[in-house]
Amino acid sequence: KNQVEQSPQSLIILEGKNCTLQCNYTVSPFSNLRWYKQDTGRGPVSLTIMTFSENTKSNGRYTATLDADTKQSSLHITASQLSDSASYICVVIILFSGGYNKLIFGAGTRLAVHP
Amino acid sequence: DAGVTQSPTHLIKTRGQQVTLRCSPKSGHDTVSWYQQALGQGPQFIFQYYEEEERQRGNFPDRFSGHQFPNYSSELNVNALLLGDSALYLCASSLGSQIYGYTFGSGTRLTVV
Repeated sequence: KNQVEQSPQSLIILEGKNCTLQCNYTVSPFSNLRWYKQDTGRGPVSLTIMTFSENTKSNGRYTATLDADTKQSSLHITASQLSDSASYICVVIILFSGGYNKLIFGAGTRLAVHP
Repeated sequence: DAGVTQSPTHLIKTRGQQVTLRCSPKSGHDTVSWYQQALGQGPQFIFQYYEEEERQRGNFPDRFSGHQFPNYSSELNVNALLLGDSALYLCASSLGSQIYGYTFGSGTRLTVV
């Protein structure tokens, strides 16, 4: 069964600190992996997207890593800010022949950054 | 360049009623996907429309139906609303199956009372 599992479920950190969110997946065939940030009541916004051949991708203070052998990804947030408080969702994408794609979503990690 | 726009932003309906949600894709996109997101959960795929036809469907009952218009905009209809249909409904657009431009709207918050 295609699944994406994220940990921790929730996380509280102090402003300025770093944190790492984890994503494990059992999805086949794997096409690429995407991390989204979702503010409460809003739509997800893409942070990074990686193919199976990429090990790391950065977007400002966000750095995603991917180990396609162990089927694990992480999102590292550096020097956290209050505005980083949101849910972070890991999405694995399957691209089928014929042009169809399917997105498998994790349940997300809810991050709270406190002053 | 407008992104994906959804309307309305919030909606309250009574059990048994019907609701229609609307989505305008990002300029240049021709494919629209709909998702249901319950509180504290990841989005669940409802269906995808391309060339005015339903191309893929998730595990949702027939009460959930949709439509895509020639201008690529789309509607999601839900009949016989249940309390469990209360959720954030997200629309995402893309150009065909291209993933890199996959863009979400801000969603419609539906509350069924």
